[in-house]
Amino acid sequence: GAVVSQHPSRVICKSGTSVKIECRSLDFQATTMFWYRQFPKQSLMLMATSNEGSKATYEQGVEKDKFLINHASLTLSTLTVTSAHPEDSSFYICSARGGGATDTQYFGPGTRLTVL
Amino acid sequence: DQQVKQNSPSLSVQEGRISILNCDYTNSMFDYFLWYKKYPAEGPTFLISISSIKDKNEDGRFTVFLNKSAKHLSLHIVPSQPGDSAVYFCAASAFDKSNYQLIWGAGTKLIIKP
Repeated sequence: GAVVSQHPSRVICKSGTSVKIECRSLDFQATTMFWYRQFPKQSLMLMATSNEGSKATYEQGVEKDKFLINHASLTLSTLTVTSAHPEDSSFYICSARGGGATDTQYFGPGTRLTVL
Repeated sequence: DQQVKQNSPSLSVQEGRISILNCDYTNSMFDYFLWYKKYPAEGPTFLISISSIKDKNEDGRFTVFLNKSAKHLSLHIVPSQPGDSAVYFCAASAFDKSNYQLIWGAGTKLIIKP
């Protein structure tokens, strides 16, 4: 299957700082990329959907000024958690898919964010 | 309103036996269904999918069955192996022109007993 990478895999930061997470599709062009968040023992929660070159569409309850998403190319999307606080500590997962109707959505390995 | 439901939060199966994971959906517009497997602290891994024009798709030990009239799909794993212990997510999608959305179930934790 297709490969999606995420960097970094783990990050620890101080409260009030900003953290950027990169998501790359390594062997296909990702027309659409998604950012999810997973709390312990809970399902994936979709945060936002982004199409290359367009502004991201955020799910209800997700602050777009806090979680900045950039999808500047067909292989790269970034999520920046601005002014991070301890409650932002979570497991963030990106995924990507091509533009076809039945294209599979492939997931990155996730990024564990801990805000002290 | 949950459009995709996995009513069993967990399932325990003896190694070598068949594991059957179930998923129900409410939206008849869904036309593509996927199963993902997830280990703790990792991203989900795509397992198998099925289009709404089919009622069965098989890939090795994994078979997905779709019953459109009942709005029900199931994932069969046979024989079950210890490495199959993970959380399994069912997902459904509808593609309308340029609008695509994947709706997830809550997941079922599969435990394979030795």
